[in-house]
Amino acid sequence: QKEVEQDPGPLSVPEGAIVSLNCTYSNSAFQYFMWYRQYSRKGPELLMYTYSSGNKEDGRFTAQVDKSSKYISLFIRDSQPSDSATYLCAMSLYNFNKFYFGSGTKLNVKP
Amino acid sequence: SAVISQKPSRDICQRGTSLTIQCQVDSQVTMMFWYRQQPGQSLTLIATANQGSEATYESGFVIDKFPISRPNLTFSTLTVSNMSPEDSSIYLCSVVTGEKLFFGSGTQLSVL
Repeated sequence: QKEVEQDPGPLSVPEGAIVSLNCTYSNSAFQYFMWYRQYSRKGPELLMYTYSSGNKEDGRFTAQVDKSSKYISLFIRDSQPSDSATYLCAMSLYNFNKFYFGSGTKLNVKP
Repeated sequence: SAVISQKPSRDICQRGTSLTIQCQVDSQVTMMFWYRQQPGQSLTLIATANQGSEATYESGFVIDKFPISRPNLTFSTLTVSNMSPEDSSIYLCSVVTGEKLFFGSGTQLSVL
């Protein structure tokens, strides 16, 4: 069993839709949770970072962590064609000496 | 945050040759990681490079194939040696700063 599971998609939505991206994990010791956006042939860009259960909002993006269910989500409101990319979830233990990544979900937002 | 400059951004190489990828960070960082991302796949950790110590390699990666240097707290290199087409990937350096992991822009390597 992988430590982090993420639906690879692809996910195709119309412009303006609310997008929900999800990851599950098996290691209850994970302390820090991140979402990255990666455009084709580019390095991942850190979008959201959180270390506690609950919601964290930044503009059109909301990161949600449920440690009891070992489940994290990224919501994108009013999705734009420029949001079309691959989204990676990532997690780490308290000491940051290793990070665990999901396989990435490819999102396509149609104009 | 950290600004990470990675060079070259892309290269096309012949089988059997070597390529050295450079990673320059705009601040001093202790932990630096090198990842490989094969087409359509997620990130695979090659090694962790901490200044002042030998790099620590993950299972399936060896120093002879992927030698790493870390001469100071802002710079590192990864060499991909004796390349084969299976080495065609994006190679990424990344650093931890402020409890967050940041990535360089990546090196897209194609081996013919």
